[in-house]
Amino acid sequence: GAGVSQTPSNKVTEKGKYVELRCDPISGHTALYWYRQSLGQGPEFLIYFQGTGAADDSGLPNDRFFAVRPEGSVSTLKIQRTERGDSAVYLCASSQGSNQPQHFGDGTRLSIL
Amino acid sequence: AQKITQTQPGMFVQEKEAVTLDCTYDTSDPSYGLFWYKQPSSGEMIFLIYQGSYDQQNATEGRYSLNFQKARKSANLVISASQLGDSAMYFCAMSLNYGGSQGNLIFGKGTKLSVKP
Repeated sequence: GAGVSQTPSNKVTEKGKYVELRCDPISGHTALYWYRQSLGQGPEFLIYFQGTGAADDSGLPNDRFFAVRPEGSVSTLKIQRTERGDSAVYLCASSQGSNQPQHFGDGTRLSIL
Repeated sequence: AQKITQTQPGMFVQEKEAVTLDCTYDTSDPSYGLFWYKQPSSGEMIFLIYQGSYDQQNATEGRYSLNFQKARKSANLVISASQLGDSAMYFCAMSLNYGGSQGNLIFGKGTKLSVKP
């Protein structure tokens, strides 16, 4: 597809479980970003990849959160031992590079019961 | 610390009229970018317009224009000739340049725009 693709669109799981959220960026975009959006708030930055490496992971809330982008394209956000406070919409965005607009996927709505 | 402030939680505008959504920012870095995104109730974030800190002219994209006042650190979005489909949340965001590479976006809390027929 032409846009950023995120799967699944919805994920419901129990507290304490492990989840993986996938992001497939726009072809050719070298920069990839993960954000988290809670209800009624703007998105909050989690992590930024330039190619395969995490250029900035300062937004990850704690060590239960981890993200990879092994081949410089698809990225996976991994959350261990999920907590109810992790419930949010997780947004992925990609861009061509320096100071270019970020294009967002439709997000994954994560609900922790 | 870098920050984006949107002071209008909600705005109403009559169809076909113009509306201004306010945004102020705070940064001590000289190089930055300012963005506006639209988020309809369906949830997707749609890029509208971009202004670089060194751009001399205000950005325009169709019915959208960005009123950039650097000394006041404001980057207000102007939507002309409002349409019913403009009803959505609007987010102002800022990026900082680290060695020429774009870093993360810092978002405001958003303004909910409602267009009345």
